[in-house]
Amino acid sequence: QKEVEQDPGPLSVPEGAIVSLNCTYSNSAFQYFMWYRQYSRKGPELLMYTYSSGNKEDGRFTAQVDKSSKYISLFIRDSQPSDSATYLCAMSEDYKLSFGAGTTVTVRA
Amino acid sequence: GAVVSQHPSRVICKSGTSVKIECRSLDFQATTMFWYRQFPKQSLMLMATSNEGSKATYEQGVEKDKFLINHASLTLSTLTVTSAHPEDSSFYICSSRPGATEAFFGQGTRLTVV
Repeated sequence: QKEVEQDPGPLSVPEGAIVSLNCTYSNSAFQYFMWYRQYSRKGPELLMYTYSSGNKEDGRFTAQVDKSSKYISLFIRDSQPSDSATYLCAMSEDYKLSFGAGTTVTVRA
Repeated sequence: GAVVSQHPSRVICKSGTSVKIECRSLDFQATTMFWYRQFPKQSLMLMATSNEGSKATYEQGVEKDKFLINHASLTLSTLTVTSAHPEDSSFYICSSRPGATEAFFGQGTRLTVV
């Protein structure tokens, strides 16, 4: 069983829709949670970072962490074609990150 | 956020030659740098962790003599792929965590060995 599970998709939504991305994990020691966006042939770009259960909002992005269920989510509101990318969840208990497989999202104009 | 600059972004080399990839932290001191490899449509695979002034720690299955890592200063870490072969063709990415919290990544290097 992988430490971090993420549905690879692909996920295709119309412009303006809400994109919902999820990851589950097995290591209860994870305490730092991140979401990254990666465009083709580019390095991952940090979108959201949190270290506690609950919600964190930044513009159109909302990150949710539920440590009791070992489940994290990222919501993208009013999705735009420029949001088309691969989204990676990442988490850690110390310095080493564990990544999900990444979900490829396409927002159709 | 912190800036990690990686060069080159793309390199093509002949089989048997060596390629050096540089990763610089521009606005913070990177005590630790992480090197990843990513195959198409797959997630990042940690290859090694480099610490300034000491030997790198390699993940299981990664050949340390093939992937030489040097972290001589707090702002520069390098990965050298020695005697490259076509199977080494991949996307290599470096990363650092300024405050042991969120990680910042370089732009990535696409290596093609012909």
